[in-house]
Amino acid sequence: AQSVAQPEDQVNVAEGNPLTVKCTYSVSGNPYLFWYVQYPNRGLQFLLKYITGDNLVKGSYGFEAEFNKSQTSFHLKKPSALVSDSALYFCAVRDLSNTGKLIFGQGTTLQVKP
Amino acid sequence: NAGVTQTPKFRILKIGQSMTLQCTQDMNHNYMYWYRQDPGMGLKLIYYSVGAGITDKGEVPNGYNVSRSTTEDFPLRLELAAPSQTSVYFCASSDLAADTQYFGPGTRLTVL
Repeated sequence: AQSVAQPEDQVNVAEGNPLTVKCTYSVSGNPYLFWYVQYPNRGLQFLLKYITGDNLVKGSYGFEAEFNKSQTSFHLKKPSALVSDSALYFCAVRDLSNTGKLIFGQGTTLQVKP
Repeated sequence: NAGVTQTPKFRILKIGQSMTLQCTQDMNHNYMYWYRQDPGMGLKLIYYSVGAGITDKGEVPNGYNVSRSTTEDFPLRLELAAPSQTSVYFCASSDLAADTQYFGPGTRLTVL
């Protein structure tokens, strides 16, 4: 069965420092991986996705993610965190059934302090 | 272009009541999804649809029903509401199975 794990419930970073939000996956076959962000009392917003190609994917708001097949990871990164990046981040993998269903991790709260 | 819209934003139900959560998208997407979000649990898929007239169960379908009579609308019906259905409900749509899902703002439901 496919699954996604986000091992950290919360990540705390000082503004201006680099940030990493971790995600590992378990799938059979080639994964389609996504990162979404949720601001308080809002719906989920798409950040970036990996389907194939370059292992480093660039997305919205200066975020990027590195696909690592050997470590089955898809960590979200940003070189310099902003206070406004504080939010709930979800990693997701597409189901193999070709219906577009997503399997989500439990989410990681990012707190960026001034 | 409003994207995905959901109504209502908030609702309080008594145990045993029923209601319909509305979801509409104006992007002509074939694929639509209903998720529920519980604290610390991520999002769980309730039902999905790959086109008008076609629906199927997701991971947590018990206590819910859906219909898809048009491409635009994908309502979620709760029959006999239970406290376990207290959650935030999100509707999403996508153009292709592999493509990005676009989410609505959510409906916060409390069952007392």
